Amino acid sequence: AQKITQTQPGMFVQEKEAVTLDCTYDTSDPSYGLFWYKQPSSGEMIFLIYQGSYDQQNATEGRYSLNFQKARKSANLVISASQLGDSAMYFCAMREGRDRQNNDMRFGAGTRLTVKP
Amino acid sequence: KAGVTQTPRYLIKTRGQQVTLSCSPISGHRSVSWYQQTPGQGLQFLFEYFSETQRNKGNFPGRFSGRQFSNSRSEMNVSTLELGDSALYLCASSAGLSNEQFFGPGTRLTVL
Repeated sequence: AQKITQTQPGMFVQEKEAVTLDCTYDTSDPSYGLFWYKQPSSGEMIFLIYQGSYDQQNATEGRYSLNFQKARKSANLVISASQLGDSAMYFCAMREGRDRQNNDMRFGAGTRLTVKP
Repeated sequence: KAGVTQTPRYLIKTRGQQVTLSCSPISGHRSVSWYQQTPGQGLQFLFEYFSETQRNKGNFPGRFSGRQFSNSRSEMNVSTLELGDSALYLCASSAGLSNEQFFGPGTRLTVL
């Protein structure tokens, strides 16, 4: 069964505007972590932001914030003030289990973001 | 600190051959995970090694194997290559209690 769903294959945003990339997940484990990665055309995966299932506040990292709605099982990424360099594939991922050393991460299909000048 | 390095970056093989990919984690990182990325299946977890032991394994056939050395460097081997094995193979390392996995640039394998 698909554990991570990203429903937007592609998104466009105007430079300097904010954009939200959607991610929903499915798990019965009460302990899990949610991640967002950026993959430019070079292929390297770049870690952006992390949200733990027990974290009370939404995670933020610079221009990135995670809109975590636990009851709805959604973990949307918000990028503020988009820049041309933000154009890339974005992947939502989840790691289940209490063991933080469990690195079995499941990824969504990704969203290709294009920032227009 | 140097990042995760993977060699080779590009590889072309023919069906039936075998291939070995290498990954050097960030210094001090003991966990190395491998992923396969294809246009059709997306990113899929292959396996994870920690302190030379395979800790987790994804749903891949036995043709895919790996190992980790005492210096945390890891190798992944694919035997009897099939056309469908053409993919970007990504390696990621993390420290023991870190939430972040740091990825390497990947090895792009093409099977003809």
